[in-house]
Amino acid sequence: AQSVTQLDSQVPVFEEAPVELRCNYSSSVSVYLFWYVQYPNQGLQLLLKYLSGSTLVKGINGFEAEFNKSQTSFHLRKPSVHISDTAEYFCAVTLAGGGADGLTFGKGTHLIIQP
Amino acid sequence: KAGVTQTPRYLIKTRGQQVTLSCSPISGHRSVSWYQQTPGQGLQFLFEYFSETQRNKGNFPGRFSGRQFSNSRSEMNVSTLELGDSALYLCASSLNSGSSYEQYFGPGTRLTVT
Repeated sequence: AQSVTQLDSQVPVFEEAPVELRCNYSSSVSVYLFWYVQYPNQGLQLLLKYLSGSTLVKGINGFEAEFNKSQTSFHLRKPSVHISDTAEYFCAVTLAGGGADGLTFGKGTHLIIQP
Repeated sequence: KAGVTQTPRYLIKTRGQQVTLSCSPISGHRSVSWYQQTPGQGLQFLFEYFSETQRNKGNFPGRFSGRQFSNSRSEMNVSTLELGDSALYLCASSLNSGSSYEQYFGPGTRLTVT
């Protein structure tokens, strides 16, 4: 079975500063990786996903993530954050291929943007 | 195109009762997945339905069940509610079944069991 660890439960950062949210996964087989964002009282929105190909993945709202197979990591980055980026961020993994295995999520990282 | 809709948005039930939650997927989407979100356990996969068939199920007791109708709408049912069932229940739809297809999440139904 696969698992996801988000190393920081909370990350405070000043507005316009860069940010990195860390995600490590564990799996004995190939996986697909995702980052989702959840704003208060809302569902999850997909930021970006890695299925295959280039290890640097660009997503919406200026976010990007890099898949590192040797370190089993998929860290999320943004060069300059805005107040509106305040939200909960979830890293998720699922088995690669065509199976219907559901997403396995990390515990989430609360990104707090300070003015 | 309308997004995933879930009804009701909020629900309060008493321990021992049963509850049914509804999810209408994005038009044209044939797969519906359900997730439970709690502060302690986080987001956990409940099950996925595709073409009215349950394709996969997470590690939840048999009190949790679901079904999908021919129009792809889905319902999930929890019988004999326990206090620990209090959670945000999220539904997600995707075009087809399979891990490469993007899942679009609804706003969730917040269930409180007293």
